[in-house]
Amino acid sequence: EDKVVQSPLSLVVHEGDTVTLNCSYEVTNFRSLLWYKQEKKAPTFLFMLTSSGIEKKSGRLSSILDKKELFSILNITATQTGDSAIYLCAVTLRGTSYGKLTFGQGTILTVHP
Amino acid sequence: GAVVSQHPSWVICKSGTSVKIECRSLDFQATTMFWYRQFPKQSLMLMATSNEGSKATYEQGVEKDKFLINHASLTLSTLTVTSAHPEDSSFYICSARPDFFTDTQYFGPGTRLTVL
Repeated sequence: EDKVVQSPLSLVVHEGDTVTLNCSYEVTNFRSLLWYKQEKKAPTFLFMLTSSGIEKKSGRLSSILDKKELFSILNITATQTGDSAIYLCAVTLRGTSYGKLTFGQGTILTVHP
Repeated sequence: GAVVSQHPSWVICKSGTSVKIECRSLDFQATTMFWYRQFPKQSLMLMATSNEGSKATYEQGVEKDKFLINHASLTLSTLTVTSAHPEDSSFYICSARPDFFTDTQYFGPGTRLTVL
């Protein structure tokens, strides 16, 4: 059975801290890994990763994929209260399951002022 | 770009009634739309994959006669919860994929369904 596991499940930090969120996966026919941020409503797209070792960066957020060890990390530097959200990691597969997102449990990040 | 809307944003209904939720891609055409269900403080669980002009593909354990999905055009998919019961109360989110060759899905704002 395909599995995506995120850790930690929840995290509380203060503004200015740096956080690292983890996502590991055990799937057959891996295609890509995506990170989403969910505040009150719709998840918003952050990154899509397909190649190992290539960092994707957007402002204070960055992410990297390790296809050998089957995990990805999402880094947020100099956190702000607006970063408080659920961060979701999802994996897509090749073959008959093409296009489907298999989500991890999510990490609830709370940033205190 | 890549905006997905859902309507209604919330709905309260009596047990036994049917509820229709619409999902629209506003600025792109979506050959594939997906319907998810999310319980409080939990992740998204895929219910079904909807391809324009064909029958939806349901995930294991999802009753296709209870959750009717129609994807009649490239910008609209609907989910109808038939004979709703309190256990169907949940947050339903749709997503749309702009084209067949991208993995990125764009999500709607979700619909909160409460069945009394």
